[in-house]
Amino acid sequence: DQQVKQNSPSLSVQEGRISILNCDYTNSMFDYFLWYKKYPAEGPTFLISISSIKDKNEDGRFTVFLNKSAKHLSLHIVPSQPGDSAVYFCAATLLMNYGGSQGNLIFGKGTKLSVKP
Amino acid sequence: ETGVTQSPTHLIKTRGQQVTLRCSSQSGHNTVSWYQQALGQGPQFIFQYYREEENGRGNFPPRFSGLQFPNYSSELNVNALELDDSALYLCASSLPGGYGYTFGSGTRLTVV
Repeated sequence: DQQVKQNSPSLSVQEGRISILNCDYTNSMFDYFLWYKKYPAEGPTFLISISSIKDKNEDGRFTVFLNKSAKHLSLHIVPSQPGDSAVYFCAATLLMNYGGSQGNLIFGKGTKLSVKP
Repeated sequence: ETGVTQSPTHLIKTRGQQVTLRCSSQSGHNTVSWYQQALGQGPQFIFQYYREEENGRGNFPPRFSGLQFPNYSSELNVNALELDDSALYLCASSLPGGYGYTFGSGTRLTVV
């Protein structure tokens, strides 16, 4: 059973508009969430993270929103650029583990974002 | 500062064979984790090594094993390869506790 779900396999957005990528999780014990971006033939690269004590975290054009009651998070990219075209993975973990000796991440299946010029 | 380097980049093996994948950690990172990413799926945690010992394991059978060396580089070994082992294998190095996770570009393993 998938603990982290990204229900949209793909998303297409016009350059300059907002991209919204969604992620749902089932394990209420998760308390730290991350977004990774992956280009073909490269490993995932870290984008932005959020702890469960916050409901929003912003870094430049990227903002992550967390709704704990709904077990839902979203990544907003504003404005979207063609270089943002990639597969985006949502990941979750237990902060206790992340800050401890483990720190393994549970990933969703990813959403392929295409930003058209 | 070098990143995480994995070798080889691509590999084709026959069912039943054994394979060894290699990973060099990012400078200053002493924790290594391995993930398997099957086609159309997200990465799945295989195991983690810290101070040359396995330090956490996902839902993978014992034929998946690993090593970490004193220089923090690591190997992933898979015995008795099955067709379903075909995947991208990602190595990630980090500081203790998972901080600063950095992924390599992966090894694409195809089992025929």
